Amino acid sequence: KAGVTQTPRYLIKTRGQQVTLSCSPISGHRSVSWYQQTPGQGLQFLFEYFSETQRNKGNFPGRFSGRQFSNSRSEMNVSTLELGDSALYLCASSPDGQVVTPLHFGNGTRLTVT
Amino acid sequence: AQSVAQPEDQVNVAEGNPLTVKCTYSVSGNPYLFWYVQYPNRGLQFLLKYITGDNLVKGSYGFEAEFNKSQTSFHLKKPSALVSDSALYFCAVRDEGGSYIPTFGRGTSLIVHP
Repeated sequence: KAGVTQTPRYLIKTRGQQVTLSCSPISGHRSVSWYQQTPGQGLQFLFEYFSETQRNKGNFPGRFSGRQFSNSRSEMNVSTLELGDSALYLCASSPDGQVVTPLHFGNGTRLTVT
Repeated sequence: AQSVAQPEDQVNVAEGNPLTVKCTYSVSGNPYLFWYVQYPNRGLQFLLKYITGDNLVKGSYGFEAEFNKSQTSFHLKKPSALVSDSALYFCAVRDEGGSYIPTFGRGTSLIVHP
């Protein structure tokens, strides 16, 4: 089975631009979560989608948004990029969105904002 | 509310020696505990979990973890460290009756010296 796939792996954007990141979960997985990882803040939860519905949301400004499609693939969008948005963005999936089930992570998208 | 602490930013150990990476947690109900490992420029990989039952949990790559309810700890251990174990290790917790979204520790960098 293929793992969680995130594209692109690397992105360089300029302040004020917007960006869209993509995540394809493991086949059959219905829950997709997004995390921001930075050296200073560690892993911070952005949002989680389950069967196309946003089920949980972290404490990020409205510039950060996401969606999930009927095939469980997910995208996240960041508008009006700021320098502080530079980070590794990780996507994670799980088959059933249950608390006993571990997450399966992709290798992330490294976003650099200049 | 749920929280997790990894008191050591970095652990150094010589190859062949036993290693321990510490994790303590706080939850309202019963804890569901997870360990993940992250290699450079990669996503997190699931190592092992504690849900219920035997306090000693065995996982991937020879790692194990001991759940201690009275000390609210879930330390990761390995009897003999390898240089290839050098990576960033994350402990995560979910509360049995709480949110699906896990709380991650800030991570511990394990360095195994040859």
